[in-house]
Amino acid sequence: GAVVSQHPSRVICKSGTSVKIECRSLDFQATTMFWYRQFPKQSLMLMATSNEGSKATYEQGVEKDKFLINHASLTLSTLTVTSAHPEDSSFYICSAAWATDTQYFGPGTRLTVL
Amino acid sequence: AQKITQTQPGMFVQEKEAVTLDCTYDTSDQSYGLFWYKQPSSGEMIFLIYQGSYDEQNATEGRYSLNFQKARKSANLVISASQLGDSAMYFCAMREGVSGNQFYFGTGTSLTVIP
Repeated sequence: GAVVSQHPSRVICKSGTSVKIECRSLDFQATTMFWYRQFPKQSLMLMATSNEGSKATYEQGVEKDKFLINHASLTLSTLTVTSAHPEDSSFYICSAAWATDTQYFGPGTRLTVL
Repeated sequence: AQKITQTQPGMFVQEKEAVTLDCTYDTSDQSYGLFWYKQPSSGEMIFLIYQGSYDEQNATEGRYSLNFQKARKSANLVISASQLGDSAMYFCAMREGVSGNQFYFGTGTSLTVIP
């Protein structure tokens, strides 16, 4: 299967700081990348869908000014959690897909906001 | 209504036995795709198997097979010869339509393989 990397795998930050998470498709060009959030023992919650070169489409209830998504190339998307607060602590996981093909997931980033 | 329903929060299976994880879906689209992912404790989501709505044969990938019953709108995952490394969360997902690429995920089933 395709390989998607995510960096960092874990991050701990102070409340009020911003954190950037990178998602890269290593062996294919991803026309679409997705960002999910997952709380313990729960399913994935789609936050936003991003297509290369265009603005991300956010799901209802997700603040676009708080969760900034940039999809600058066919292999890289970034999620920036701005002014993070403890309630933003979660597991963030990205996925990448070519057209309407299977989504391949990154290994996830565990964010802890103190 | 839930797009994907997984009714088994937790399942246990003896090592080397087969196990079936249930998944039902809800869609009015004629074209859709069904997926199963495995999520071990490390957190990564591992793609296991895919079934297209027009595929007449059940998908198989090694020890994984998908029991696709279109009329019942079910897409159960069968794992044969369970191994200890199969212990994980398993998520069923659906992609609707020809051009849609949003996935709908079920709530997951936690599988524990007993030695």
